[in-house]
Amino acid sequence: GQQLNQSPQSMFIQEGEDVSMNCTSSSIFNTWLWYKQDPGEGPVLLIALYKAGELTSNGRLTAQFGITRKDSFLNISASIPSDVGIYFCAGPAGGAQKLVFGQGTRLTINP
Amino acid sequence: DAGITQSPRYKITETGRQVTLMCHQTWSHSYMFWYRQDLGHGLRLIYYSAAADITDKGEVPDGYVVSRSKTENFPLTLESATRSQTSVYFCASSGAGTGTRAFFGQGTRLTVV
Repeated sequence: GQQLNQSPQSMFIQEGEDVSMNCTSSSIFNTWLWYKQDPGEGPVLLIALYKAGELTSNGRLTAQFGITRKDSFLNISASIPSDVGIYFCAGPAGGAQKLVFGQGTRLTINP
Repeated sequence: DAGITQSPRYKITETGRQVTLMCHQTWSHSYMFWYRQDLGHGLRLIYYSAAADITDKGEVPDGYVVSRSKTENFPLTLESATRSQTSVYFCASSGAGTGTRAFFGQGTRLTVV
């Protein structure tokens, strides 16, 4: 089946630093989604991407749909403590609006 | 309040017991999903439903049963709980207006002892 590989699996950064993470697929996607999960909560949608090369921002977050359609990138600028959590990429998985998820990137911020 | 709600938030049960996790959404979304989240595995799809009375297996369906008699409810039943089913379970929904963008409940943390 389809697999998504996220990297890095975890990040330990200082407050104020910029963050970059990515997600690669074994197959072509027509949609990329990025979710964030706060501790003890469900994933919340951050950004949706629908076209190769698309660059979309949501506040300090910017995501890009890779031109090969097999990858996507998420950047966070000037990190703050509330950015802590797990970031998941997701893409369509064979119809019925199913999604396949990456394993997540766990972000930890040192004040 | 509108949205998607799961109950209970926490549950401890014994091996072999039947347990049902509830999911209710108020958006009238056609599609509903159950995922489990385990360390190192991310979110894995258990079952999904495209509409009332239409359900299908996902990636890890063994040991689970679902039903969907009403659009807004999608309960997940563990017929005979095993320790390997200790996990955090998330319900999600999506609809015609959302495309593949799914919206998640807060999760149920299930421990099987």
